[in-house]
Amino acid sequence: EVQLVESGGGLVQPGGSLRLSCAASGSAFSASWMHWVRQSPGEGLVWVSRIHSDGSNAKYADSVKGRFTISRDNAKNTLYLHMNSLRAEDTAVYYCATDWFYTLNYWGQGTLVTVSS
Amino acid sequence: DIVMTQTPLSSPVILGQPASISCRSDQSLVHSDGNTYLSWLQQRPGQPPRLLIYKISSRFSGVPDRFSGSGAGTDFTLKISRVEAEDVGVYYCMQATQLPITFGQGTRLEIK
Repeated sequence: EVQLVESGGGLVQPGGSLRLSCAASGSAFSASWMHWVRQSPGEGLVWVSRIHSDGSNAKYADSVKGRFTISRDNAKNTLYLHMNSLRAEDTAVYYCATDWFYTLNYWGQGTLVTVSS
Repeated sequence: DIVMTQTPLSSPVILGQPASISCRSDQSLVHSDGNTYLSWLQQRPGQPPRLLIYKISSRFSGVPDRFSGSGAGTDFTLKISRVEAEDVGVYYCMQATQLPITFGQGTRLEIK
């Protein structure tokens, strides 16, 4: 079983930047596609981004394209989400999750990002 | 984007009784490889989502056999044969056949 631990969330002003991290346990990380999914307070789940196991083929939701960048460091077993030009509507709990044959089989506990002045 | 619609949005059930949640997509979820990438997730209060069912009907590791999935094409169902107290939470269907991955609005399961 893979364990995922997100960090890096916090309070940021509109227009600001933040980098989220997702630390993974186990050797399976480097072979896994990875995703970020977010959930606004009291709302449902929204897919944000995906990256292939070798760091290639990053994809983004239209709502974050051009502002967010997904990356990974397989040597450190860590996934990242670089978030720029943050808006109030980006306020959410951000989860990382592993992709396993086109499903999301393991999820972290999430990290809360609050965009507010 | 594929739109996923769940019904009902709220489901009060009696302990020990069955429960059923429907999920409909606005386009076929059959992938070019022939598989249908429809999953069901459970989110207990204050917890992250947890995978229950993948590829319509396959139970993930550790998921009790009272959970079952069925369906094809654009219509899918999650059934709980006998609801237990630990099943309280929100259930989401999710499609990963096509990016962006999309989720249903969620169905809140509560004990009556």
